[in-house]
Amino acid sequence: ETGVTQTPRHLVMGMTNKKSLKCEQHLGHNAMYWYKQSAKKPLELMFVYNFKEQTENNSVPSRFSPECPNSSHLFLHLHTLQPEDSALYLCASSQDGQNNQPQHFGDGTRLSIL
Amino acid sequence: AQKVTQAQTEISVVEKEDVTLDCVYETRDTTYYLFWYKQPPSGELVFLIRRNSFDEQNEISGRYSWNFQKSTSSFNFTTTASQVVDSAVYFCALSEEAPQGGSEKLVFGKGTKLTVNP
Repeated sequence: ETGVTQTPRHLVMGMTNKKSLKCEQHLGHNAMYWYKQSAKKPLELMFVYNFKEQTENNSVPSRFSPECPNSSHLFLHLHTLQPEDSALYLCASSQDGQNNQPQHFGDGTRLSIL
Repeated sequence: AQKVTQAQTEISVVEKEDVTLDCVYETRDTTYYLFWYKQPPSGELVFLIRRNSFDEQNEISGRYSWNFQKSTSSFNFTTTASQVVDSAVYFCALSEEAPQGGSEKLVFGKGTKLTVNP
């Protein structure tokens, strides 16, 4: 089983829908991350959770709502999204959020907003 | 100011050619870490290497090598005898100490798309 698993792989939703992205890591890590990857832009860090506590919210609009019920699972709840939110959303984990540790990424969820 | 600059947006080479991907970074910290990641078409970012700011030794791993030079704030990545499977987007990233009350962040460059043609 891969280290970091994201579901679904693809998601198409209307602007009024509510959906959730799921991330699960099997590496025994304590830090988890959400990134947004848009075309021709650097990866943008959205949220960081360390030992289930949110330690970073990088000025993300409230239509994105993260949830971290335990160190192995991370969700991103979506509602009333905009077309510019269409992107690849990547989840990552690391041992405990220290800056010397590599992050391990999932395959991402490609989100399209109609 | 952009902290990690990958000036090459796209590079195309023919198999067996050597290719170097450039990465220039900016930081005021004395302790920091540099990373390279590979993103194949499947989307997953694959960790390749980590370097700390106190270790300027170059590293070689098979066909891959990394040249870290603090004097020019560069951390370049070279693939020798490139293969079609090396085709991917490659990202350089910088991790600094966390600001007070904040979290340590990994700051990525915009990536270089490498295409290796048969």
